[in-house]
Amino acid sequence: QSVLTQPPSVSGAPGQRVTISCTGSSSNIGADYDVHWYQQLPGTAPKLLIYGNSNGPSGVPDRFSGSKSGTSASLAITGLQAEDEADYYCQSYDSSLSGVVFGGGTKLTVL
Amino acid sequence: QVQLVQSGAEVKKPGASVKVSCKASGYTFTSYGLSWVRQAPGQGLEWMGWISPYNGDTNYAQKLQGRVTMTTDTSTYTAYMDLRSLTSDDTAVYYCARGGGIPGMDYWGQGTLVTVSS
Repeated sequence: QSVLTQPPSVSGAPGQRVTISCTGSSSNIGADYDVHWYQQLPGTAPKLLIYGNSNGPSGVPDRFSGSKSGTSASLAITGLQAEDEADYYCQSYDSSLSGVVFGGGTKLTVL
Repeated sequence: QVQLVQSGAEVKKPGASVKVSCKASGYTFTSYGLSWVRQAPGQGLEWMGWISPYNGDTNYAQKLQGRVTMTTDTSTYTAYMDLRSLTSDDTAVYYCARGGGIPGMDYWGQGTLVTVSS
């Protein structure tokens, strides 16, 4: 059971918009700790996709965006492409655990 | 360019220890913390802990306290993760990543598969 809760899977057709939620609590996201998002393509290491809730590292397409409100965060992907098919993870810090926490991951399928 | 290059795959017997290395290049090693994250087969990401190469401060996941030790060698820009008393549940790909703690992890190593099997 992960401290941050994500849907196990989402799907969308090419060109569509999908969102992935990440629900935490008052000791992590709700305590105003930043949320970061990672993309993991099959058989590869995770890649930082969004940092500090809504910032995209250089080289990440602006089709990817992040937001945070209260005890939750969301990753939105617009103009879905076949190469977006991957696992996505949210990450934050938890003061009760005094450590980093990840969501359980969401598998994105492009139909 | 920033690179983190990890040591090769390991096969260990239950009860043994494993030490995985992570050699950094392309940045000032002591300016960034370094995290270790593992991923069991078909499972999600699990944070193991963090070390500051600057002063050696560490923060380990509660679940692994007493079994894991993270160290760095600033002369060779290398970080090490030592995990003891291995069980089959420790079979996973182990990643090092720059950053962590409260900031995100912006660069990742290629991963090291550790298999624990009798």
